[in-house]
Amino acid sequence: SQQGEEDPQALSIQEGENATMNCSYKTSINNLQWYRQNSGRGLVHLILIRSNEREKHSGRLRVTLDTSKKSSSLLITASRAADTASYFCATKSNQFYFGTGTSLTVIP
Amino acid sequence: KAGVTQTPRYLIKTRGQQVTLSCSPISGHRSVSWYQQTPGQGLQFLFEYFSETQRNKGNFPGRFSGRQFSNSRSEMNVSTLELGDSALYLCASSLGGQATEAFFGQGTRLTVV
Repeated sequence: SQQGEEDPQALSIQEGENATMNCSYKTSINNLQWYRQNSGRGLVHLILIRSNEREKHSGRLRVTLDTSKKSSSLLITASRAADTASYFCATKSNQFYFGTGTSLTVIP
Repeated sequence: KAGVTQTPRYLIKTRGQQVTLSCSPISGHRSVSWYQQTPGQGLQFLFEYFSETQRNKGNFPGRFSGRQFSNSRSEMNVSTLELGDSALYLCASSLGGQATEAFFGQGTRLTVV
């Protein structure tokens, strides 16, 4: 399977703390994307990092990409209760492949 | 700009029936992909349509089919429903290139009883 794997599967932190989740994938990529899903809803695009980029920032989000290790990480700084959701990485070759997701709970 | 619209939002069907789900992509987007999401299997790719042609297909039985119309709207059909088909079905639209993001609808929650 070309699907990625997120680690950890579940993460619970206190509001204000940073949350880090990791993604590993199997094939060469053009870009890697991170999505967020609130319970039972559609996915929302957070950030895209291209294969020639190593790090990208967007607000409280920081994404890194290591193509040699086929891995990426998503850091959410100063977490808020509203960040509680599932987070997925996605790679695209001829179709999108989504990872298994990390379920993040931010405790107020 | 209107987002991706999926109808219906919720559906309850009986085993053996068939169902049709609809997805209207963002205006100008020509690619529509369908995914099945279940707690145990995560997001599983069903198929992708681009300009009315099925471009990619996931590993699902022939009971799952789809089509895309000239206005890029897409439908997904599941025949002879099984209990295991109960899932959240998500549709995503994109421009269709390599470095583009996918925009998702809210999904159709299908329950088969």
